[in-house]
Amino acid sequence: DTGVSQDPRHKITKRGQNVTFRCDPISEHNRLYWYRQTLGQGPEFLTYFQNEAQLEKSRLLSDRFSAERPKGSFSTLEIQRTEQGDSAMYLCASRLAGQRSYNSPLHFGNGTRLTVT
Amino acid sequence: DAKTTQPTSMDCAEGRAANLPCNHSTISGNEYVYWYRQIHSQGPQYIIHGLKNNETNEMASLIITEDRKSSTLILPHATLRDTAVYYCIVGPLYNFNKFYFGSGTKLNVKP
Repeated sequence: DTGVSQDPRHKITKRGQNVTFRCDPISEHNRLYWYRQTLGQGPEFLTYFQNEAQLEKSRLLSDRFSAERPKGSFSTLEIQRTEQGDSAMYLCASRLAGQRSYNSPLHFGNGTRLTVT
Repeated sequence: DAKTTQPTSMDCAEGRAANLPCNHSTISGNEYVYWYRQIHSQGPQYIIHGLKNNETNEMASLIITEDRKSSTLILPHATLRDTAVYYCIVGPLYNFNKFYFGSGTKLNVKP
């Protein structure tokens, strides 16, 4: 168990630029979640995947945000035309879910901290 | 929407038990109580969860009142490494897309 890995750990970008973050979940975990966390607040749900299918998107996920999990393994979160309000920690989490499988709790990565200048 | 109420911060002496309270008076019958913690610059870490019975694991104990309107997370022997923000969350079993973390309790363990 190597844990959930996120890359990069930090990203500084100028307003209007596009950024992409990567998340590698724990292997064999079929569910992958993205959260956003602003300073002093707890994480807020953005979206989640069951294998490669994106099953739910929060209203926080504006049309400038897109997430993919093309082969049901790693996932990417892209933000287009970044705004200063996008500055936050973006957290990825994964878990194993299924009727006959042990339903594990969420395992979080250490996040990507985005700063939009 | 806030489903839980937690104190903003608490102090605890190293080696003593840390008792973190959480109020969840509107909890539904199918909702569990989860606790996560977040150490500075890290992602949240799962601690424990329960429905109505008290639970214990290697990290902590969870005491849920009989009416389920409040609970207490107990760290039996707090260490400096337990300094973190502790989140109490209520939600359906493993339905993490519905979780609301809130602002949590900042636990300061002091030598």
